[in-house]
Amino acid sequence: KAGVTQTPRYLIKTRGQQVTLSCSPISGHRSVSWYQQTPGQGLQFLFEYFSETQRNKGNFPGRFSGRQFSNSRSEMNVSTLELGDSALYLCASSLVLTGMGTEAFFGQGTRLTVV
Amino acid sequence: GESVGLHLPTLSVQEGDNSIINCAYSNSASDYFIWYKQESGKGPQFIIDIRSNMDKRQGQRVTVLLNKTVKHLSLQIAATQPGDSAVYFCAENDKGAQKLVFGQGTRLTINP
Repeated sequence: KAGVTQTPRYLIKTRGQQVTLSCSPISGHRSVSWYQQTPGQGLQFLFEYFSETQRNKGNFPGRFSGRQFSNSRSEMNVSTLELGDSALYLCASSLVLTGMGTEAFFGQGTRLTVV
Repeated sequence: GESVGLHLPTLSVQEGDNSIINCAYSNSASDYFIWYKQESGKGPQFIIDIRSNMDKRQGQRVTVLLNKTVKHLSLQIAATQPGDSAVYFCAENDKGAQKLVFGQGTRLTINP
C-alpha cells in the first residue's frame, strides 16, 4: 500500500511568486491536513480537507489556500511568497477527520525556499 | 503541547540503553495521543498511539505511558540503536480545536 506522496520534494521560488504543492493521500483515506514546519515554530497546522471541503483552518494569512479533489488528492497554494514562507510543508492523511482521534500519516514533505 | 518556538530539547543515550522521552500536553480534554519520529530530511513517521482510556501501550521496542492527572506522556525505547537517532514529537488530539497539536520535539542522539 503506497504511503502519502508529496510533490515536488524541493522548490526554490522568488519573493512575490506563487507556488502550488501537491499531496496524494493513502488509498482510502479521505482527510488531508497540511502543516508548516520551521525550526523556530515547529509544526503548525494550516488546514484540513475532508470530502473536498475545508473543515478546519489554522492561523495563517489568506495567502495560504488549498483544495481537495474528488479522489482525495489535495493541493495547497501560497501566493505572493515572502521570505518567511521558507519551510518544510507536510501533508498528513487519515481515514477520517483528525479531530475524531485517528492515526495520521505524513508524507516526506516539500522543502520550499523563497529567495 | 503547542509548539511555541522554544529551543529543541535534546537527549543523549548510550547505544543499548533505554531511552525515555517526555512530553507535557496542554488540553485536559484531549483523548488521543500519537508519537512521531522524524529523521533528517524526512516527514514524521507514526510510531505508536494511545487513547485516554488507557495508561500504557506497548509496541515493538516502544512503550507509551499516559498520565492524565498531570497531563504527561512519555515514550520509552528499549535497547536504543543508532537508527533511533531522530527528533521525536508527541501530538494530542485537541477535540475543541478539532486538530492535532504537536509538541516542540526532542532530539535523540545515540552515543556509540
